[in-house]
Amino acid sequence: NAGVMQNPRHLVRRRGQEARLRCSPMKGHSHVYWYRQLPEEGLKFMVYLQKENIIDESGMPKERFSAEFPKEGPSILRIQQVVRGDSAAYFCASSSRANTEAFFGQGTRLTVV
Amino acid sequence: QQQVKQSPQSLIVQKGGISIINCAYENTAFDYFPWYQQFPGKGPALLIAIRPDVSEKKEGRFTISFNKSAKQFSLHIMDSQPGDSATYFCAARGTDKLIFGTGTRLQVFP
Repeated sequence: NAGVMQNPRHLVRRRGQEARLRCSPMKGHSHVYWYRQLPEEGLKFMVYLQKENIIDESGMPKERFSAEFPKEGPSILRIQQVVRGDSAAYFCASSSRANTEAFFGQGTRLTVV
Repeated sequence: QQQVKQSPQSLIVQKGGISIINCAYENTAFDYFPWYQQFPGKGPALLIAIRPDVSEKKEGRFTISFNKSAKQFSLHIMDSQPGDSATYFCAARGTDKLIFGTGTRLQVFP
């Protein structure tokens, strides 16, 4: 039973480009959470999704950031027109139900040059 | 009210010693308090967790102490080993998501 899979592990984008980060939850998990971690800092909640629904996006920046979790396929975190300040590690976690253990992926490290 | 405050920011312990990391919260609606361990370049991994109806939970060398009235909880690592060197995050779960502390970088020297 594979864990939470994130890809790519490393992503380099120039300012103004788009970044697409993918997260495949653990088998049987339908709840996905995205977190951002800046260097030497903690994990900041961004968004919580269930299949085809955004449940809580209170941590998402109002502009340029969007997330989806379609019926088929991985969850996608999309960052449009990236800026240097978007450079961070982005972690995805999944759980089988709300309010149960969440398991994290290895993260995608985004570098904006 | 959604914050979880964690201290210390960094901790240096001799091999065999006890590592203690503390966290405090304000929101009494939090119902689940996990600790995560993160090695450089890796994702956080669940270490141990506790619910507020229990005052202590022990798993091997790791113990969580929970003080509901003070709204504080702590992680104790007994007989600390160099392999325990990592960043530790406490967290608290609200209605639908985990709120994380800022992390403690633990270094255990032989």
